[in-house]
Amino acid sequence: QSVLSQPPSASGSPGQSVSISCTGTSSDVGGYNYVSWYQQHPGKAPKLIIYEVNKRPSGVPDRFSGSKSSNRASLTVSGIQAEDEADYYCCSYAGSNNYVFGSGTKVTVL
Amino acid sequence: QEQLVESGGGLVKPGGSQRLSCAASGFTFSDYYMRWIRQAPGKGLEWISYIGSSSWNTKYADSVKGRFTISRDDAKNSLYLQMNSLRVEDTAVYYCARSYTIYDPFEIWGLGTMVTVSS
Repeated sequence: QSVLSQPPSASGSPGQSVSISCTGTSSDVGGYNYVSWYQQHPGKAPKLIIYEVNKRPSGVPDRFSGSKSSNRASLTVSGIQAEDEADYYCCSYAGSNNYVFGSGTKVTVL
Repeated sequence: QEQLVESGGGLVKPGGSQRLSCAASGFTFSDYYMRWIRQAPGKGLEWISYIGSSSWNTKYADSVKGRFTISRDDAKNSLYLQMNSLRVEDTAVYYCARSYTIYDPFEIWGLGTMVTVSS
């Protein structure tokens, strides 16, 4: 299975907005609205922060938002805070009951 | 509290076998799809297998197909991953995760268990 393409790193100062892209194909990101995003702090398990492109689970701050255009999904952290420094992974349904993850983006709060 | 706890990791030689377990608590285990996802050291996440609420409904990533077998015991609220013919490249932290349907996200994850394949 192919890996979705994400930038290796992104950064921003506290209070700024940081966006991360996730690029796939028409067979995954572009073909389904089942894109999710996971936050992973060092040594911890991943945590779901966005599902079905732009929905937030209960308890996830509203500074996290998601969107999608064609084969590219995006995660935006508006007003980034120190605790948002983590690795972020996108994930998409890829048909035939397969899932594919992104390569991951390390977000640094300057 | 809804929780998943993996166990069974350790050091195994190439070509060897290992069985991982994932104990669920705080929710009706039998209602959920369960998945195994792994993360090699310093690398990204890789979905490797799922099992539906019916045990016959399984799927594997190409990287583990024919070597790994996923199973579940709803009476014991447990998920398993039997790993055979292990390779060095199978070295990873193995996480179990749940979702309500095949399309739903991986909403709860365990803390993971480390499997190291090395001679």
